[in-house]
Amino acid sequence: QITLKESGPTLVKPTQTLTLTCTLSGFSLSARGVAVGWVRQTPGKALEWLALIYQNDDKRYNPSLMNRLTITRDSSKNQVLLTMTAMDPVDTATYFCARFPLSVAGAFDSWGRGALVTVSS
Amino acid sequence: SYKLTQPPSVSVSPGQTATITCSGDNLADKVSSWYQQKLGQSPVLVVYDDNKRPSGIPERFSGSSSGNTATLTISGTQSVDEADYYCQAWDSRVVFGGGTKLTVL
Repeated sequence: QITLKESGPTLVKPTQTLTLTCTLSGFSLSARGVAVGWVRQTPGKALEWLALIYQNDDKRYNPSLMNRLTITRDSSKNQVLLTMTAMDPVDTATYFCARFPLSVAGAFDSWGRGALVTVSS
Repeated sequence: SYKLTQPPSVSVSPGQTATITCSGDNLADKVSSWYQQKLGQSPVLVVYDDNKRPSGIPERFSGSSSGNTATLTISGTQSVDEADYYCQAWDSRVVFGGGTKLTVL
């Protein structure tokens, strides 16, 4: 069974750096044709793609946020990490990680439950 | 940056066909997907690669893409289909549409 689980702080202060962890189960990011991405959703609003990391360590970022984002992987722990700098109250959102296998041609086929992050002093 | 536009809301009567559109420049040149999201839940993939259904998704969900528009069609809409629907395009980067609230009444 494929599962993804997000973890990290629920509250961060403005200007701080957020680090979120996505723990993968039932598949490995080392497997061919697999990528993992991060997507966020502000309260009552639309989904916004943040970043992708592929099995070969290739990375893609949302151009509007790429200066603040870093996506990395820890293969030994089967985890994907997302770092976002200079957090602001407008970054308050639920952050999802999701699997992005090439077998579904550029779509996210399995999602975590999401982690709500509030940015407030 | 690339933008996808969806109607904010669509209403349909039970048993009828719901059509949700997604517009973007030369969208047919990219790969389109659709997600269903119910309140308080994570998105669920219902269509990928323009017109393919993942296993477990009912046959009443179908997709198409041509020119600047991708379309999600739900035939014989049921009350359980009431949700937000998001389109997504991919061509090395990912873009989501603004979402459409489907009301079944």
